Amino acid sequence: DGGITQSPKYLFRKEGQNVTLSCEQNLNHDAMYWYRQDPGQGLRLIYYSQIVNDFQKGDIAEGYSVSREKKESFPLTVTSAQKNPTAFYLCASSMRQAVYNEQFFGPGTRLTVL
Amino acid sequence: ELKVEQNPLFLSMQEGKNYTIYCNYSTTSDRLYWYRQDPGKSLESLFVLLSNGAVKQEGRLMASLDTKARLSTLHITAAVHDLSATYFCAVDMGGGGATNKLIFGTGTLLAVQP
Repeated sequence: DGGITQSPKYLFRKEGQNVTLSCEQNLNHDAMYWYRQDPGQGLRLIYYSQIVNDFQKGDIAEGYSVSREKKESFPLTVTSAQKNPTAFYLCASSMRQAVYNEQFFGPGTRLTVL
Repeated sequence: ELKVEQNPLFLSMQEGKNYTIYCNYSTTSDRLYWYRQDPGKSLESLFVLLSNGAVKQEGRLMASLDTKARLSTLHITAAVHDLSATYFCAVDMGGGGATNKLIFGTGTLLAVQP
């Protein structure tokens, strides 16, 4: 089955710790994205990558880092510099050049800071 | 800066009734997406609207796009309880070409009462 997987589903972080969220896709999509969703709000773009070994900051990149070493994988690290990381994190992917450029989303990771 | 506004933010409606959700955006774009999100879940793609006057229908939902007015509507016909969810519109930043970078509205929480 083609799709996007995220792990873990739930993650608890202590103050001052870095944590890494996994995102993998087997859709052969070029582009991948990370969004953050806070309760009762829409999605905000953290980082996105159009091709391997290249990525750009989104609207709220501070306190986060990413890498794109493989087409299938786009991990997100939430660093200790992110002061309010408790949120629902969603990864998405899309074809880079396609008629619809539709983004497909993974199941999400819920991060809680203890 | 592109802004995307949805209204209403919350909609309580009775089964069998019709209603419309509105999505306004502030700068030129000819590519708009509608997504559905169930509580605690990820986003599911509903519609992709690519040009002025585009209209798409799936079951009891119909979406349209007026790029001149910078307005998209999601019309619900004869609502049923299964349609209860949060609905998001998202606009591509491209202004005439696709960038794959989406700005999401704040969402409309729809509750269909029996």
